[in-house]
This record gives sequence, C-alpha cells and structure tokens, in this order.
Amino acid sequence: AQTVTQSQPEMSVQEAETVTLSCTYDTSESDYYLFWYKQPPSRQMILVIRQEAYKQQNATENRFSVNFQKAAKSFSLKISDSQLGDAAMYFCAYRLTGNQFYFGTGTSLTVIP
Amino acid sequence: GAVVSQHPSRVICKSGTSVKIECRSLDFQATTMFWYRQFPKKSLMLMATSNEGSKATYEQGVEKDKFLINHASLTLSTLTVTSAHPEDSSFYICSAPPSSWRGQNTEAFFGQGTRLTVV
Repeated sequence: AQTVTQSQPEMSVQEAETVTLSCTYDTSESDYYLFWYKQPPSRQMILVIRQEAYKQQNATENRFSVNFQKAAKSFSLKISDSQLGDAAMYFCAYRLTGNQFYFGTGTSLTVIP
Repeated sequence: GAVVSQHPSRVICKSGTSVKIECRSLDFQATTMFWYRQFPKKSLMLMATSNEGSKATYEQGVEKDKFLINHASLTLSTLTVTSAHPEDSSFYICSAPPSSWRGQNTEAFFGQGTRLTVV
C-alpha cells in the first residue's frame, strides 16, 4: 500500500526561527517524485518544493529545503527564517510514474509574531 | 506554471438537487484529472480519477452514481453531485498533472477548489 505519514498534526514556530516538518512514506517503487504543498487559508494548493527520488542532492528553494533520506523513506521540510505568511497547512506527497499522487494528513503550521 | 481553473468557487444548493463543478486545464492538456474531497483541517481524500475518453476510476467507498465524472475533453473534467444531501457539503478540489514525467511539469496543478453547501 502507498502511504504518506505526517506525524505532526500541528506545529508552531517563532517568527524568524527555523522549523522542520516531518514526513515518511511507504512505496515499493524506486522511481518517484516527492513534494511539499502549502495550503493557506485561501485553500489554494501551492507547490513549495519538489525532489526527484533518483537525485541524492537535497532540493532547496530559498528559505525552504528538504532532507531526503531515500533508504529511510523520509522527506522532511525545513523552513528557515519563518515568516507570518508561512502559516498554513503543509502536505507531503509523492507521485509515481502513473500520475497518481499520494498525500499525507497534513501539518498545520502556526507562526508566532 | 500551468493553470487549472475550477468553477464555481462556492455554491449553495438545496437538498435533492444536482450541482456541477468544472475543472479546466487552461494551458496544457490533461488526459487525467483527479477529484479530491477535503474536510476542514483534513487531508485531501482522493475520490476518483477522471480519464479522457474512458470511464472514471472511483476510490473505494465513493458512490459513482452519486458523484458523476465526465472527462469531456483533454482540458475539461466535470464532477456532478447528484441528489445532494447536507452530508455532501464539503470542499472539492480538482488537480491535473501534465503528462510529462522527466520534464519540468511533474507536479500536480490544483484548481482553486469549490465549497459546496447543501441546505
């Protein structure tokens, strides 16, 4: 079965500080893509960062970076210098070759001014 | 990036009526579109996979006669909630992943979502 687990339903971080959101997944496939999506109060899903499973180098996008551990099937998201606009639900997801996406249960991030 | 347009963004309907939600890929072709349902502060629950030119594939527990899906063209999929009940009230989201795999567009693009309220 394809599953994605986000063990932290809620997280909070002080503005300007760093926070890490965890994600583990289970798949028997070797070729896939991993994603973090952000869903702000508007509920529009926004892509935060993407990681190709065949690449060992961790992806980074400005203040967002991932720690991808393929053997452990772990894909955590680090947000540096947190901003108020980072407050949102964050979903971890992966995509197999057949277009199918699998989403985690989400982590609600609160940024404290 | 690619754009997926979902319409309407909000709809209120009476119990027993039907509601149609449209999902359009504006600048790319999508042979597959996904329909999700999301409860407040919960994850996206995949309802069905819409396939252009063939029948939709429904997830277990989703009533295909109640949630009718039609993938009319390579840029349009519709979800019709038939004989709506208050328990159908929810947030519905469509997504369309462009077909390319090793290209840039490997992520899914999401519509804005539709908040359905059945009264």
